[in-house]
Amino acid sequence: AQTVTQSQPEMSVQEAETVTLSCTYDTSESDYYLFWYKQPPSRQMILVIRQEAYKQQNATENRFSVNFQKAAKSFSLKISDSQLGDAAMYFCAHYGGSQGNLIFGKGTKLSVKP
Amino acid sequence: NAGVTQTPKFQVLKTGQSMTLQCAQDMNHEYMSWYRQDPGMGLRLIHYSVGAGITDQGEVPNGYNVSRSTTEDFPLRLLSAAPSQTSVYFCASSYLLGLEQYFGPGTRLTVT
Repeated sequence: AQTVTQSQPEMSVQEAETVTLSCTYDTSESDYYLFWYKQPPSRQMILVIRQEAYKQQNATENRFSVNFQKAAKSFSLKISDSQLGDAAMYFCAHYGGSQGNLIFGKGTKLSVKP
Repeated sequence: NAGVTQTPKFQVLKTGQSMTLQCAQDMNHEYMSWYRQDPGMGLRLIHYSVGAGITDQGEVPNGYNVSRSTTEDFPLRLLSAAPSQTSVYFCASSYLLGLEQYFGPGTRLTVT
């Protein structure tokens, strides 16, 4: 079964500092996408970043970047220069295959301290 | 573009009542899906559709029906609400299978 594991239920970071959220996944596919979604208290699911498995280069979106280790099936999210607005639940997700759905991890709650 | 819209935002039902959660998208996406989110868990797939007239079951389909008569709309029907269906429901769409999905704002449903 395809699974996504986020081992850190909660994380905390000081404003302007850097934090890394961990994610591991399991898949038998060779070509796939991985995603990080942010869910603020408004509950809206917002796409943060996407990584194509066939690309060796790690994806970057402004202050957000990933460390994608395909062999280890690891996909961590690094947030640089953390801002108060980054406080949210973060979900790692992996494309689940024929159903087209995303398989989500259970999430990491990120707090940002001023 | 409005993206993915859902109505209502909040709903309270009594056990046994039925209702329909509405979902619409204006991005001409073929793929649409319904998820439920429960505390401490990620999102789980209820039903999905790969195009108008085509629907299929996801991981947790029991107690829910869907139909897809147009590309834009994908309503979710609760046939006879149960307390176990208390959850936050998200509708999502994507251009192609496997690509990122765009989510609606969610519906918080409480069944008493």
